[in-house]
Amino acid sequence: GDSVTQMEGPVTLSEEAFLTINCTYTATGYPSLFWYVQYPGEGLQLLLKATKADDKGSNKGFEATYRKETTSFHLEKGSVQVSDSAVYFCALSSGGSNYKLTFGKGTLLTVNP
Amino acid sequence: EAQVTQNPRYLITVTGKKLTVTCSQNMNHEYMSWYRQDPGLGLRQIYYSMNVEVTDKGDVPEGYKVSRKEKRNFPLILESPSPNQTSLYFCASSLSYAGGYEQYFGPGTRLTVT
Repeated sequence: GDSVTQMEGPVTLSEEAFLTINCTYTATGYPSLFWYVQYPGEGLQLLLKATKADDKGSNKGFEATYRKETTSFHLEKGSVQVSDSAVYFCALSSGGSNYKLTFGKGTLLTVNP
Repeated sequence: EAQVTQNPRYLITVTGKKLTVTCSQNMNHEYMSWYRQDPGLGLRQIYYSMNVEVTDKGDVPEGYKVSRKEKRNFPLILESPSPNQTSLYFCASSLSYAGGYEQYFGPGTRLTVT
């Protein structure tokens, strides 16, 4: 079945540092890929998505490129801020009859001033 | 404002006492789903619904029931809660069940079963 593996956290960075959170997946067919973010005490929000190979999703300075050859969708940001502190989830959907999101376990990011 | 609402946000109950967590969306979305979030396990799907009167099991449906009598509402029912159902629950909705559409999440319901 479908699965998502993302790097274990927690990740602690200083403000303005470069961020990478690795995500690889296993899926049948051609899934859509997502990064969701969960701020403390809140629900999940879509951060960015890509629906086909070589697509780059971007939002709020975050980027991720859908790499079919390496089955990866790594999240990057060039300069993190304290306000980026949150839990980040990589997810995929294979579509079909159930638009289920299959999530990774989440990576807690803490950015210190 | 487009949103998914859940009630209650927090609930402490005892084993065996039936409870319902409500979920409502105001975006006329076809697809709705329930997930539970547990430490170290990420989010796992409990049940989903592709439209009114169409529901099906997700990955962890045991101990839960759902119904979809109206498009906007998708309540989660625990007929006889047990301590292993202590978790953080999220309702989500999407315009369509076709892949690629964003899922919108509610704020979560933290359930404790003693």
